Amino acid sequence: NAGVTQTPKFRVLKTGQSMTLLCAQDMNHEYMYWYRQDPGMGLRLIHYSVGEGTTAKGEVPDGYNVSRLKKQNFLLGLESAAPSQTSVYFCASSYVTGDTEAFFGQGTRLTVV
Amino acid sequence: GESVGLHLPTLSVQEGDNSIINCAYSNSASDYFIWYKQESGKGPQFIIDIRSNMDKRQGQRVTVLLNKTVKHLSLQIAATQPGDSAVYFCAETGNYGQNFVFGPGTRLSVLP
Repeated sequence: NAGVTQTPKFRVLKTGQSMTLLCAQDMNHEYMYWYRQDPGMGLRLIHYSVGEGTTAKGEVPDGYNVSRLKKQNFLLGLESAAPSQTSVYFCASSYVTGDTEAFFGQGTRLTVV
Repeated sequence: GESVGLHLPTLSVQEGDNSIINCAYSNSASDYFIWYKQESGKGPQFIIDIRSNMDKRQGQRVTVLLNKTVKHLSLQIAATQPGDSAVYFCAETGNYGQNFVFGPGTRLSVLP
């Protein structure tokens, strides 16, 4: 049981480049989330999904897009990367409404130069 | 907007002592309060939660206390061990668990 797997683990982008971060979970969870973690600011929610085919904006959605075409996958896209998007990105999933235990991936460290 | 914050950014304790990590929250409407542990290079890991209608909840070596009067949450770790060294986040969520709001974190260092 792999849990939540993020790909890639590290990436360096040039300003203006695009990329997609992949999150996969094998726990049949309905809810999936993308967070970014910056020093001294905890985790901030970018986008989330409450089920296959649905997405919603979180606290800091600007500059990002997401898709949930399959229940087990949640993709985070950066269309035109900016230095302000340098961060560690975490994907998480949880089972049902009201579930307080979210399972996190190992994170993706993204640097935009 | 509403936020969850922490009183202290760092905490150092001697191995074997008890640790107390504090958190202040501002959203009285939150239904659950949660503690997560994040070890270096890893994602956060759930420790324990408490529902807003409770004052105390105990787990294995951990106790969470909720004081709704002063909007304060704390995590107590008994007999702190080197493996407890990590960053601890408090978080809050509504009843639907759709949006966890995290505080900035407290780094716990366990001294030998």
